[in-house]
Amino acid sequence: DAGITQSPRHKVTETGTPVTLRCHQTENHRYMYWYRQDPGHGLRLIHYSYGVKDTDKGEVSDGYSVSRSKTEDFLLTLESATSSQTSVYFCAISATSGVNTGELFFGEGSRLTVL
Amino acid sequence: GDSVTQMEGPVTLSEEACLTINCTYTATGYPSLFWYVQYPGEGLQLLLKATKADDKGSNKGFEATYRKETTSFHLEKGSVQVSDSAVYFCALKGGSGGYNKLIFGAGTRLAVHP
Repeated sequence: DAGITQSPRHKVTETGTPVTLRCHQTENHRYMYWYRQDPGHGLRLIHYSYGVKDTDKGEVSDGYSVSRSKTEDFLLTLESATSSQTSVYFCAISATSGVNTGELFFGEGSRLTVL
Repeated sequence: GDSVTQMEGPVTLSEEACLTINCTYTATGYPSLFWYVQYPGEGLQLLLKATKADDKGSNKGFEATYRKETTSFHLEKGSVQVSDSAVYFCALKGGSGGYNKLIFGAGTRLAVHP
């Protein structure tokens, strides 16, 4: 199994509070991603990183920010959590990008509930 | 933009039945196509992939053929087992979104009964 650890695995918080989810990898992979999984929507990309301090937005980035100060860590922050951000969040990593690659390795997910 | 459409689930089958999960896509250029599987309580893992038209991906008895003329990548298995019960996601990369991002369909839940 790919060395990906997400923390916390479960969190309940209140509307308006800040939340940070952490993804830690031991594979030294260049690319890291944050997805959210919601019924009927599959997985939607929030943000991704293609190197230290290099990040870009995905399709549902509003209300989220990310940081990557080290290769192994990719943080997802909800500055002021809302109930619409209740979801399961998955971190994924990939060694390379390109037409003949594409295997993403996923963490086990972080379930966030915003009351 | 790029998108992936999967048949709605859940799909409920008896053990040893044949499986087809439909997947169609919209993308510019020549995307690569993937099937990922999510077992209960776990993250997604790659099941199979195809990187160009007419390629067939296969793994664990599952197959899917990249059909550019019908923009489809249907997942098939001749005889399902209870252990195949999971959620299956079709995905693409390399369309207008580039090769850095994987675009997923909504997922299809499969339940196989003994």
